Amino acid sequence: DVVLTQTPPTLSATIGQSVSISCRSSQSLLHSNGNTYLHWLLQRPGQSPQLLIYLVSRLESGVPNRFSGSGSGTDFTLKISGVEAEDLGVYYCVQGTHAPYTFGAGTKLELK
Amino acid sequence: EVQLQQSGPEVGRPGSSVKISCKASGYTFTDYVMNWVKQSPGQGLEWIGWIDPEYGSTDYAEKFKKKATLTADTSSNTAYIQLSSLTSEDTATYFCAPSDWFAYWGQGTLVTVSS
Repeated sequence: DVVLTQTPPTLSATIGQSVSISCRSSQSLLHSNGNTYLHWLLQRPGQSPQLLIYLVSRLESGVPNRFSGSGSGTDFTLKISGVEAEDLGVYYCVQGTHAPYTFGAGTKLELK
Repeated sequence: EVQLQQSGPEVGRPGSSVKISCKASGYTFTDYVMNWVKQSPGQGLEWIGWIDPEYGSTDYAEKFKKKATLTADTSSNTAYIQLSSLTSEDTATYFCAPSDWFAYWGQGTLVTVSS
């Protein structure tokens, strides 16, 4: 199974600070069809996860553009340009290139 | 607007089975596979498997092949997950999430295994 390693496990930030989360895969996530099925989710406390970024860098409709995704192959990054209070929660990367689909362990974003 | 309405919390005795439903609306039910995801208390997300409602085909993570059974009823736009031979390890919240990139999520169903 593909292992997704997220770092850091915990991130402390102040409002307005820019932060990045890394997601490294044990295998390339480039599918034979040319797509890379690496996505980012946010789970706020007590809520269901929500999709932020899909296919590495595509911003889901309604998600603020302070969120951005980048990367290729095995190394991926989620960046938040100017953290806001509503961004607090746990961020997960998830891959859908190889069965079984797998999630990273999560990165908890807290207020400093 | 896509909506996913999951059934309410369940309490199951060890060794028994429970069946959770996920009723979809706001999109064509057969357009997306339906994923199911497990979240144990205080833990991360774990993919259980998916079902293609149009064809009934399924794929499971290895550890759930004997635990979970996924079905779908296209007449009612409802997907189901049945969990069998319950143990304390099955106590968790279970989510349905259609689409190839988890664009939509149900509200989750808490399953508690207790005697």
